[in-house]
Amino acid sequence: DAGVTQSPTHLIKTRGQQVTLRCSPKSGHDTVSWYQQALGQGPQFIFQYYEEEERQRGNFPDRFSGHQFPNYSSELNVNALLLGDSALYLCASSSLRWGASQPQHFGDGTRLSIL
Amino acid sequence: SQQGEEDPQALSIQEGENATMNCSYKTSINNLQWYRQNSGRGLVHLILIRSNEREKHSGRLRVTLDTSKKSSSLLITASRAADTASYFCATLRAGGTSYGKLTFGQGTILTVHP
Repeated sequence: DAGVTQSPTHLIKTRGQQVTLRCSPKSGHDTVSWYQQALGQGPQFIFQYYEEEERQRGNFPDRFSGHQFPNYSSELNVNALLLGDSALYLCASSSLRWGASQPQHFGDGTRLSIL
Repeated sequence: SQQGEEDPQALSIQEGENATMNCSYKTSINNLQWYRQNSGRGLVHLILIRSNEREKHSGRLRVTLDTSKKSSSLLITASRAADTASYFCATLRAGGTSYGKLTFGQGTILTVHP
């Protein structure tokens, strides 16, 4: 039973570029959340997708956008990259059909470095 | 911004000793969860305690929750070198529209020496 998978594992970009990160949720899960984790910090919630719609958003600018596909996989897009966007981007999946208070399953993340 | 604080920021112990980590939070919660993160990897869910529970056990883990003080503690008994990791508490806010948004603390770095 595959868990949450993310791609790519590492990515190097320069300021001003755009990036797309991908996530496949755990089998049976319908909800995907994205988190940004700066070095030495706890993860910060970016947004969550359920039924192909953004359901909740954290305190991130519009440069951060996302999408969820009918097969529940998801993409995170970041435009006009800044040095401060360098972080580990984590995807987590869960199943809202069992309620919001379920543990989330995390992927190993994408390490994004901005030069 | 992070909702909670974790204490201590770093903890260094010998194998076989117990490790206790504390977490405080600010808002009313539906539940509180503890996660472990090995260096550079994703988070692994350890245990979930609901707001109407006071204590929960899972193997060598014991979690307590005091909603009056808005605090929780994680106890790892008989620690092993493999327990070396960062530990995070995360809260799910009370209310009907949280949709599973977790708010994490800053984490405690635990080092267990063989």
